[in-house]
Amino acid sequence: DIQMTQSPSSLSASVGDRVTIVCRASQSINRFLNWYQWNPGKAPKLLIYSASGLQRGVPSRFSGSGSGTDFTLTINSLQPEDFAVYFCQQSFTAPYTFGQGTKVAIK
Amino acid sequence: QVQLQESGPGLVKPSQTLSLTCTVSGGSISSDNSCWTWVRQPAGKGLEWIGHIYASGSTNYKSSLKSRVTISLDSSKNQFSLTLSSVTAADTAMYYCAREYYEILTGTYGGNWIDSWGQGTLVTVSS
Repeated sequence: DIQMTQSPSSLSASVGDRVTIVCRASQSINRFLNWYQWNPGKAPKLLIYSASGLQRGVPSRFSGSGSGTDFTLTINSLQPEDFAVYFCQQSFTAPYTFGQGTKVAIK
Repeated sequence: QVQLQESGPGLVKPSQTLSLTCTVSGGSISSDNSCWTWVRQPAGKGLEWIGHIYASGSTNYKSSLKSRVTISLDSSKNQFSLTLSSVTAADTAMYYCAREYYEILTGTYGGNWIDSWGQGTLVTVSS
């Protein structure tokens, strides 16, 4: 199975900050990389599909980039509702593995 | 957007079989570009993709679970199901059913992503 590794595992940031989360695949996955946001007690929410596609209804402060093995999720001007856990997921080949998650906490 | 709802026992004894059903509303389980997925999340841990099934009946499963897991479709009821045999405490988790959209662009695979999720159901494995 393809291994997905996120960094950092957690970070602290303030409202208005720019935040970048990195996801690295154990082999090339082209651009088949998705990003999800998860809050405790809720279902995950799709933010970005295919590395850089912004899901309908997701604010434009979220953006994704990358291809091959290295990907980033950037949140510009962090808002209070963005404090959550973020997961990447590859869909290059099944099983579609997730990264271990990055918790974005309030500084 | 489709809605999904998980149902099934919240408590399963060790060595027994976990069975969950997901009811899909607001769309057909046979709709184009959709496959139907199970994801779980142990408390305090990350998301784990269990597997999915296409309308054709084709399935893919997480490698480490392949010997114990089956995902099936019931188109007449617009439902799909998960069975996981020989469960242990390590299978205790929140289980989500989901719709996975897949994209085909001019005959070329364009990716899969989960765009609709159920609310999740907690399954505890304990005697």
